[in-house]
Amino acid sequence: DQQVKQNSPSLSVQEGRISILNCDYTNSMFDYFLWYKKYPAEGPTFLISISSIKDKNEDGRFTVFLNKSAKHLSLHIVPSQPGDSAVYFCAVYSGGGADGLTFGKGTHLIIQP
Amino acid sequence: AAGVIQSPRHLIKEKRETATLKCYPIPRHDTVYWYQQGPGQDPQFLISFYEKMQSDKGSIPDRFSAQQFSDYHSELNMSSLELGDSALYFCASSSRTDPSYEQYFGPGTRLTVT
Repeated sequence: DQQVKQNSPSLSVQEGRISILNCDYTNSMFDYFLWYKKYPAEGPTFLISISSIKDKNEDGRFTVFLNKSAKHLSLHIVPSQPGDSAVYFCAVYSGGGADGLTFGKGTHLIIQP
Repeated sequence: AAGVIQSPRHLIKEKRETATLKCYPIPRHDTVYWYQQGPGQDPQFLISFYEKMQSDKGSIPDRFSAQQFSDYHSELNMSSLELGDSALYFCASSSRTDPSYEQYFGPGTRLTVT
């Protein structure tokens, strides 16, 4: 059963507009949430993260929002740029001695000129 | 800045052969992780090592083994290869002193089993 769900396999957004990528999770004990960006033939690159004790974290054009009661997080990119076209993975760290990140299936973001 | 290095980048093997993938973490990182990403799938955690000891185990098949050496590099050994083992294998590293839980990924090794 998928513990981290990214229900949109792809998303197309016009350059300059806001991109919103969504992620849902099932376990309220998850500790830490991360967003990774992946280009073809490269490894995932860390973008931004948020602790379960916060509800918002901002870094330049990227903002992550966490709604713990809904077990939902979202990544906002504004303004969207052509270089943002990539696959975005939501990942969670559950802590408690478990090291591995659990990933969602990813959302392919396409920025249209 | 130095990144995670993986070798080889591409590997083609036949069924029932063995393969060894290598990972060199970022300098001063003490933890190494291995992930497997099948076609169209999300990366799946296999195994991790902290200070040369196995730290956590995920969905690693019994046919696979791994270790971390004194210089912190890690090797993933895969035996009796099956067609389903064809995937991208990522290594990631991190430092336990970093509170962000961020894992830094290498470029991956693409394994093709024919």
